[in-house]
Amino acid sequence: AQTVTQSQPEMSVQEAETVTLSCTYDTSESDYYLFWYKQPPSRQMILVIRQEAYKQQNATENRFSVNFQKAAKSFSLKISDSQLGDAAMYFCAYRRGETSGSRLTFGEGTQLTVNP
Amino acid sequence: ETGVTQSPTHLIKTRGQQVTLRCSSQSGHNTVSWYQQALGQGPQFIFQYYREEENGRGNFPPRFSGLQFPNYSSELNVNALELDDSALYLCASSPPGLAGGKNEQFFGPGTRLTVL
Repeated sequence: AQTVTQSQPEMSVQEAETVTLSCTYDTSESDYYLFWYKQPPSRQMILVIRQEAYKQQNATENRFSVNFQKAAKSFSLKISDSQLGDAAMYFCAYRRGETSGSRLTFGEGTQLTVNP
Repeated sequence: ETGVTQSPTHLIKTRGQQVTLRCSSQSGHNTVSWYQQALGQGPQFIFQYYREEENGRGNFPPRFSGLQFPNYSSELNVNALELDDSALYLCASSPPGLAGGKNEQFFGPGTRLTVL
């Protein structure tokens, strides 16, 4: 079974600074996808960034980027120029590359606080 | 384009009762997944519906059941409620496509269930 581990229950960062959230996963599959989701107090789960396992290039989305280390099964999220609106619970998630939609396996989450 | 909606927003039940939660998928999406998110934890996959058929199930007992309707909306039913069923229940829909990995899941705001 696939597992996702987030070892940082809480992180804090100063506004405009950079923060990195850690995630490791375990799988025997070769075709899979990794995600970072953001869940603000409104509870709506929002996709931040996605990484396809077959791609060596790290994904980037504006201020958000990942460091994908496939051999180490590590998938960290870097948030640059942190903003107050980035404060939320962040979840790392794994999904197999099936053809008809597939379940997400989530980590336990990292609560990010952004200090003004 | 209307996103994923869920009803009700909040619900309070007593132990032993039954509950039905509803989800309307995003327009054009034919796959619906349900997740249970206990307080302070990551979401756990309950089951998924694709074209009105159950298409995968997580480690949840049979008293958790579901339906998907021809318009792809879905219901989650929980019988014989237990205190541990208190959680946020998230619904996510995804569009049809050839590659499962391309089928991003879009989440609704969730239903907060409290069992007393």
